[in-house]
Order: sequence, then C-alpha cells, then structure tokens
Amino acid sequence: DAGVTQSPTHLIKTRGQQVTLRCSPISGHKSVSWYQQVLGQGPQFIFQYYEKEERGRGNFPDRFSARQFPNYSSELNVNALLLGDSALYLCASSLDSRGSVSPLHFGNGTRLTVT
Amino acid sequence: AQSVTQLDSQVPVFEEAPVELRCNYSSSVSVYLFWYVQYPNQGLQLLLKYLSGSTLVKGINGFEAEFNKSQTSFHLRKPSVHISDTAEYFCAVDMNTGFQKLVFGTGTRLLVSP
Repeated sequence: DAGVTQSPTHLIKTRGQQVTLRCSPISGHKSVSWYQQVLGQGPQFIFQYYEKEERGRGNFPDRFSARQFPNYSSELNVNALLLGDSALYLCASSLDSRGSVSPLHFGNGTRLTVT
Repeated sequence: AQSVTQLDSQVPVFEEAPVELRCNYSSSVSVYLFWYVQYPNQGLQLLLKYLSGSTLVKGINGFEAEFNKSQTSFHLRKPSVHISDTAEYFCAVDMNTGFQKLVFGTGTRLLVSP
C-alpha cells in the first residue's frame, strides 16, 4: 500500500509569494495533519483536518490555511511568504482524529526555500 | 505550557553497544507518548508508542521504551545498535486534548560508528 504522498518534494519561492503544498493520505485514513519542521528543530503542529473539517490549529499566523477534500487529500496554503517560512513541511495521516485510536503516519515532506 | 525535553542533542556510540536516548515531558494530565525516527531527507517513521497499560513498550528494529509517570520520562533504549540506526530520533507527546496534536522534542542525533 502507498504511504502518505506529498508534492512537490522541493520548491523555491520569493518573499511575498504564495505557495500551495499537497498531500494524499494513506488509503482509508480520514485525518490529515500538517507540521512545519525548521532545520535543527522538531516538527511543530500547524493543522489537523478530519472529515473535511478543521479539528485543531497550532500557533501559526493567518497566512497559513488549509483544507481537506472529499477524497481526504489536503492542501496547505501559505500567503505572503517570509524567509522564516523556509522549512520542511510534513503531512501526516491517521485513521481517526484521536491519538488514542491510531498514530500518525508521515510523508517525506516538501522542502520549501524562501529567498 | 506542555513541553518535551530531549537533553542530548547528539549521542555517539560504537556499533553493537547499548544506547539510551532520554526524553522528559511536562504535563498535568494523562498523555500518549511516541518515539519517531527520521532518516536523512525523509519523513518520520513511528518506532513505538505508549497509550496505556504496560509501562515497557517494544517497538520496531529492536527498540524499546519505558514510561515512568513519577519521573515524567519515556526513555528509548536498544541493547545493541547497528550502523543503520544512525538517524535523528524524536520523542513526542499527545496531550489528549480531543484532537490529534503532537508536541515534539528537539531531537537526538544518534551517531553509530564501527
């Protein structure tokens, strides 16, 4: 079975631009979460979506938004990019919205570089 | 605020030696605990998890961890490491808030040499 797939794998943007990252969960998984991993740090929670609804949001500005589609895939959008947005963006899927039921399965991430 | 502390940023060890990676967390409520491994240019792979029950948890690749509620720790151990275990290891806590949010530590880089 395919794991969590993310696209693109790498991209370079300029400050002020907008970017869209995409994620396809493991088949049968209804929850998708997004994490930002800055170089040398642990991942930080951005969003969780379950059944197309936002279930949780981390401490990120409104420039960050996301959505989940009927097929459970998801997009993360970041507007007005800043240099500090340069990071590895990880998508993770799980069967359920609760950690007690199923753990997160991570994709290989999208490496975003803002110049 | 809840937090996860991984005191060792880097742990060098020789092949076939035992290793312990330390993790402490702060929380006043019950939590779920996880260890993930990250190889270069890859995402995170789940090693093991503690949800409830036995405090000694066994995971993949010969790793195990012990949950100690009184010391709020969840240290990862392996009795004999291999070169292929060289990677970044992250401890994470799910605060059981009603949605699935992991709080990660800053990671420990395990360097296994021959």
